[in-house]
Formats: sequence, structure tokens, C-alpha cells
Amino acid sequence: DVKVTQSSRYLVKRTGEKVFLECVQDMDHENMFWYRQDPGLGLRLIYFSYDVKMKEKGDIPEGYSVSREKKERFSLILESASTNQTSMYLCASSFLGLGEQFFGPGTRLTVL
Amino acid sequence: AQSVSQHNHHVILSEAASLELGCNYSYGGTVNLFWYVQYPGQHLQLLLKYFSGDPLVKGIKGFEAEFIKSKFSFNLRKPSVQWSDTAEYFCAVNEDNDMRFGAGTRLTVKP
Repeated sequence: DVKVTQSSRYLVKRTGEKVFLECVQDMDHENMFWYRQDPGLGLRLIYFSYDVKMKEKGDIPEGYSVSREKKERFSLILESASTNQTSMYLCASSFLGLGEQFFGPGTRLTVL
Repeated sequence: AQSVSQHNHHVILSEAASLELGCNYSYGGTVNLFWYVQYPGQHLQLLLKYFSGDPLVKGIKGFEAEFIKSKFSFNLRKPSVQWSDTAEYFCAVNEDNDMRFGAGTRLTVKP
């Protein structure tokens, strides 16, 4: 079974803090993704990566950055957290081109 | 890029009722289609997928979906829902490695 793990299920941070969300997958997938999930808006893509050290902006990259130093690990960074970044963050991975994505359990981030 | 519409935001059914959730994408092309489900407190998991071939696709837990190319639709169906089907359902379309999700439909099944 594909396993995608995320470093925290729940996280509470203060405005202005730097926040790191970590994601690890164990299936040697080329693609990795970060989404945020908000009620009524579905999943919106923040960033994705199709290879080590490669990254592409998704639909809502503002206020976020990412890092992929190893194939199995994809990090999402909030340089200076703001209250409008309070959300559920989902990591996913997939093989290149096949489309089916496998999701982690999510991190519910609250920024106070 | 594709956009995905899910027509119902919240559906409430009684147990044993039949279910159909609508999903449309914006334009024709070579697409892969997916339905994901998110049970309360759990991660998103794949219900079923369509890549090619028979447009009627069967998935887990008695769900099926029909791809109608001329209507750009991929509706999800289940003949008889159970209380345990209470969840949020997401339709997704992948074109050229670009995956787009619908806003989701929350299904509540009353016992």
C-alpha cells in the first residue's frame, strides 16, 4: 500500500511565525503535491514537484514556498504565517503521468 | 486548464435511497477521471477511476460512475446508500498531468 505521511495532524501557530509542513511518501513517486482544503472550495493546488529540486507553482502559491531535496520528501513552508492561512493542508503523490494521486491524512493548521 | 463542477454541495438521503452525484468538466480532451471520498476524520481515498475503455466504471463499496464524453460528465451512483457512506465526495479530472478537483459534495445519510 502506498503510504503518504505528514508530520503533524494538528498545528497551532502565531501570526508571523515560520511554519514547516513535512510530507513523506514511500512509493518512489515522481510527483508530489501540496493542496489546501477549505469548505466549499474543494482542493486548491499550492505547489507541486515532478522531480527532486524541481517545483512548479499551482493556483495559489502566494505566501508559500516548497522544498524537495529528496525524492520521497516534500516540504511546504509558510515564511510568515497569517490568519488567512488557517486551513487543512493535504499532501499527495503520484507516478508521473498516471494521474491517480495518493493522499496523506492532512495537517489542520490554525494561525492565531 | 480544466475546471470541474459538482452540482450539489450537500445531499441528504435516507438509508437505502439511491444516490447520484453530478460531475462535469469544462471541455473535451484526453482526460482521466476520478472520484475520491473523504470519510469524517480520514484522508482522501480513491473510490474509482476512469482511464479508457468501458465508460461504466465500478469502484469500491458498491459505487459506480459513468463517463459520458459528449456531456463532459462523470456522475457517481450507488443504488442503495448506507449510513456509513456519510462523507464528502470529490470529483477530479486529470489532463496532461494537471489534476483539477471539484468543490466537493457532502453526503449525509440518515439511519
